[in-house]
Amino acid sequence: AQSVTQLGSHVSVSEGALVLLRCNYSSSVPPYLFWYVQYPNQGLQLLLKYTTGATLVKGINGFEAEFKKSETSFHLTKPSAHMSDAAEYFCAVLGERGYQKVTFGTGTKLQVIP
Amino acid sequence: KAGVTQTPRYLIKTRGQQVTLSCSPISGHRSVSWYQQTPGQGLQFLFEYFSETQRNKGNFPGRFSGRQFSNSRSEMNVSTLELGDSALYLCASSLDRAPETQYFGPGTRLLVL
Repeated sequence: AQSVTQLGSHVSVSEGALVLLRCNYSSSVPPYLFWYVQYPNQGLQLLLKYTTGATLVKGINGFEAEFKKSETSFHLTKPSAHMSDAAEYFCAVLGERGYQKVTFGTGTKLQVIP
Repeated sequence: KAGVTQTPRYLIKTRGQQVTLSCSPISGHRSVSWYQQTPGQGLQFLFEYFSETQRNKGNFPGRFSGRQFSNSRSEMNVSTLELGDSALYLCASSLDRAPETQYFGPGTRLLVL
């Protein structure tokens, strides 16, 4: 079984401030982990993913995430928020090999205050 | 390369009717997955098709079904619609199985009255 918990359904940051979106996962096998972004009335876009290897993963738009097995976490960060980062962010886990049956978290809406 | 396309983008149906949604994956992609997104339940996996075969299925009733054609295009069908089926239905395609990146379409927003 696999699950994802995103802490905070809404997060507000000032423009230029650090963005930190939290994600904890549960998986019975070494997981694949993903962060997606969704803008209003659009589908999901992959920001970054962790499969194996380096635990610090860099993605698009300046985002990065670190896989911490001991903490079962995969938090998303960005050093400096831009107005265009305002969107909903989803953390996801895939624990079953060979399939695309991804389990998503409930999402975190990021508000960027000018 | 064209992205994932879904048709129609918006749909209004009444309870008891059935609906068919279509998804055209990115050229060359053989895996197509469907997800339901609602405010209450979030994003939930419906099923995945690969080379015309259903490879995995989520926890949805049998009213939800799908298929994939030889050109990888996929359709999902919901019969006997209920108010709770109102949702954004997202399709995603990938080259193959995980951890290949899934590319999502814009979704079909279904409203059941």
